Amino acid sequence: KNEVEQSPQNLTAQEGEFITINCSYSVGISALHWLQQHPGGGIVSLFMLSSGKKKHGRLIATINIQEKHSSLHITASHPRDSAVYICAVPESGGGADGLTFGKGTHLIIQP
Amino acid sequence: DTAVSQTPKYLVTQMGNDKSIKCEQNLGHDTMYWYKQDSKKFLKIMFSYNNKELIINETVPNRFSPKSPDKAHLNLHINSLELGDSAVYFCASSQGDYPPGELFFGEGSRLTVL
Repeated sequence: KNEVEQSPQNLTAQEGEFITINCSYSVGISALHWLQQHPGGGIVSLFMLSSGKKKHGRLIATINIQEKHSSLHITASHPRDSAVYICAVPESGGGADGLTFGKGTHLIIQP
Repeated sequence: DTAVSQTPKYLVTQMGNDKSIKCEQNLGHDTMYWYKQDSKKFLKIMFSYNNKELIINETVPNRFSPKSPDKAHLNLHINSLELGDSAVYFCASSQGDYPPGELFFGEGSRLTVL
């Protein structure tokens, strides 16, 4: 069964700072998901990636399949980026399994 | 148009009651999921349905039963509610189950059992 570790658990930064959130997993996977949970509780999918790098606006996600590691970066951070960021991978690496989730990184961006 | 919608958003009920949470997606996805988020905000999968077939059934109590009348709907029925069932339940959908495609989540249903 896949184990997911995220770091840091909590992160407070100033507006404009470059943010990095890390995710490591134990079993090789086909794809990894980054999710964002807003303070109001809603969850949105940010990225699904299986190799390399993806970019969406100020968000960048990278994955290193060999090292079983992914990072989520936020450039020019803004208070509206304050949220919980969650990494998720297939439970046992593939097949008709659900996702297992990291415990999330609680990010606060101060003005 | 809401892609994944679930109702009710809030549900307060007494121990021992039976309740249902409904979920509908208009994305044409073939896989739908129910997740439970506990008080520590940890998400855990409960069930998924692909083309009306249950393909995952995590070790959840059999008081929980998913019901899918068609591929756009996956309802969660809970019998004999217990205090520990209090949580936020999220419905989600994706295209494909292997690997799960991009997930689209409902807004969550906060269940409080008194």
